Amino acid sequence: KAGVTQTPRYLIKTRGQQVTLSCSPISGHRSVSWYQQTPGQGLQFLFEYFSETQRNKGNFPGRFSGRQFSNSRSEMNVSTLELGDSALYLCASSLGGSGGNEKLFFGSGTQLSVL
Amino acid sequence: GQNIDQPTEMTATEGAIVQINCTYQTSGFNGLFWYQQHAGEAPTFLSYNVLDGLEEKGRFSSFLSRSKGYSYLLLKELQMKDSASYLCAVRDIRGGGNKLTFGTGTQLKVEL
Repeated sequence: KAGVTQTPRYLIKTRGQQVTLSCSPISGHRSVSWYQQTPGQGLQFLFEYFSETQRNKGNFPGRFSGRQFSNSRSEMNVSTLELGDSALYLCASSLGGSGGNEKLFFGSGTQLSVL
Repeated sequence: GQNIDQPTEMTATEGAIVQINCTYQTSGFNGLFWYQQHAGEAPTFLSYNVLDGLEEKGRFSSFLSRSKGYSYLLLKELQMKDSASYLCAVRDIRGGGNKLTFGTGTQLKVEL
């Protein structure tokens, strides 16, 4: 069974640009979550999608958005990039339950550098 | 909100035992997870606790005390490959869905 796939692996952008990151979950998984990881802050929750609907949202500005398609694949978009957006963006998938021992399976992430 | 604290760095010797502590504050606790993350790689699931007590899985064990808001991850017979960041994460039932709140991670270095 293939794991969570994120593309691209690395990305370099300049301030003011926008970027779209892609995530393909494990087959059969219906929930996709996005996290931002930085050395100082650790993993910060961005949002979660389930059945094409945003089920949960973190405390990030509106420049960060996402969506999920009918095949459970997800994209996240960051508009008007700032230097502080430089981070590793991790996608995680799960079956879709909302509790218990529902485990997250992470992709290797997209390393975004904003110059 | 939630607050999760764990040590930033720890160093241990190959073959030894190390305990990584995690304390948390949340009013809607619904489970605690430990993940391992090697540099440049995806975090991988290690353990899950929702009831008080010890969960053992091979060389790794995880303990939870809900009344104290405290957990630890115990690694036995340390190997060089155990050098990694260990992430403590809590699920809050109020958030709904599958949101996890992570600590900043403990960087473990295993030396000869």
